[in-house]
Amino acid sequence: NAGVMQNPRHLVRRRGQEARLRCSPMKGHSHVYWYRQLPEEGLKFMVYLQKENIIDESGMPKERFSAEFPKEGPSILRIQQVVRGDSAAYFCASSKNREGNYGYTFGSGTRLTVV
Amino acid sequence: AQKVTQAQTEISVVEKEDVTLDCVYETRDTTYYLFWYKQPPSGELVFLIRRNSFDEQNEISGRYSWNFQKSTSSFNFTITASQVVDSAVYFCALIDQTGANNLFFGTGTRLTVIP
Repeated sequence: NAGVMQNPRHLVRRRGQEARLRCSPMKGHSHVYWYRQLPEEGLKFMVYLQKENIIDESGMPKERFSAEFPKEGPSILRIQQVVRGDSAAYFCASSKNREGNYGYTFGSGTRLTVV
Repeated sequence: AQKVTQAQTEISVVEKEDVTLDCVYETRDTTYYLFWYKQPPSGELVFLIRRNSFDEQNEISGRYSWNFQKSTSSFNFTITASQVVDSAVYFCALIDQTGANNLFFGTGTRLTVIP
């Protein structure tokens, strides 16, 4: 029973390029959450999605960032025209239900470095 | 508003010592869940425990124990007879009904166990 799979583990982009981060939730989980961890900080919520729907994007920067969770395939976090300040670890989590009282399972994260 | 405070930024202990990591939380809701996660140097997030607000029983799992006190809004984590492998950053997190879509993380406590 594979856990939450994120790829790539490490991603290097030049300023102005696009970054695409992928997340496949645990089997049986239909709720996906993206978090960002800036260096030496805790994780901050970005967006919550269910299949084909964005439920809560209150933590997402208004520009350049978007997320999707299509009917088929992984969830994608997309960052357009990356800047140095986007360098961070991006974690995806999935849960069986909205309240998460079964627990959230996190992936290993994608470490984005913008040069 | 929700808030999780981990006042200890860094702690160092010598192997086999006991260590307690503090976590204080704020929420207006009566129903909420508290979590502890471990982030070892490899960077992934490892789930340790989930506790709901109606269960104040302390929990022990091997060398780990958790002390949940609603009266002081604290959910402290103790490692007994620490080992070098316990060296990691530990995060306390909260989810409540108001912010039901996401976990609020503390800023983490970096624990170093010296051999």
